[in-house]
Amino acid sequence: AQSVTQLDSQVPVFEEAPVELRCNYSSSVSVYLFWYVQYPNQGLQLLLKYLSGSTLVESINGFEAEFNKSQTSFHLRKPSVHISDTAEYFCAVTLYNTDKLIFGTGTRLQVFP
Amino acid sequence: DVKVTQSSRYLVKRTGEKVFLECVQDMDHENMFWYRQDPGLGLRLIYFSYDVKMKEKGDIPEGYSVSREKKERFSLILESASTNQTSMYLCASRVYSSPLHFGNGTRLTVT
Repeated sequence: AQSVTQLDSQVPVFEEAPVELRCNYSSSVSVYLFWYVQYPNQGLQLLLKYLSGSTLVESINGFEAEFNKSQTSFHLRKPSVHISDTAEYFCAVTLYNTDKLIFGTGTRLQVFP
Repeated sequence: DVKVTQSSRYLVKRTGEKVFLECVQDMDHENMFWYRQDPGLGLRLIYFSYDVKMKEKGDIPEGYSVSREKKERFSLILESASTNQTSMYLCASRVYSSPLHFGNGTRLTVT
């Protein structure tokens, strides 16, 4: 069965430090991969997506994620975080040609000054 | 810009009440979804709909039903609310295989 694992429930980090939020998935078929972000008291917003092509995808606010098929991972990274990046981040996967999106349990990123 | 609107941000209901959560999207999306979000459990799919009058069970449909009489509106119904249904409920919509667009959520408390 398809599943998504986010091993880190919380990641505390100081401002301007690098960060990596880990995401692993299990699937024997092709998948689409997504990262969503949820700021306090808001719904989820798409951060970035991998559908096909280049395995490295970037967002407009400096985050990037790399699809690694051999390790079934899609880790999210940012070289220098800001206070405003404090939020909960969800990794999600959907099987190619289906409508069902499976979410991980989320990672709460807390950026300290 | 896609807008998904959930009618209530906060709801407080009593055990046994019938509860309606409403969701409206303005982009003519075929697919609509209801998730619940609980700490440590992430988002879990309750029901989704491919089109008007069509529905599919998600991972945790027990105790819930849905209605989609018009393309833009997808309602989640708690037939007899229970305390274990206290949660954040998120509605989402999308065109087939595109990313989801979420509403801001309804925080439901059942006492």
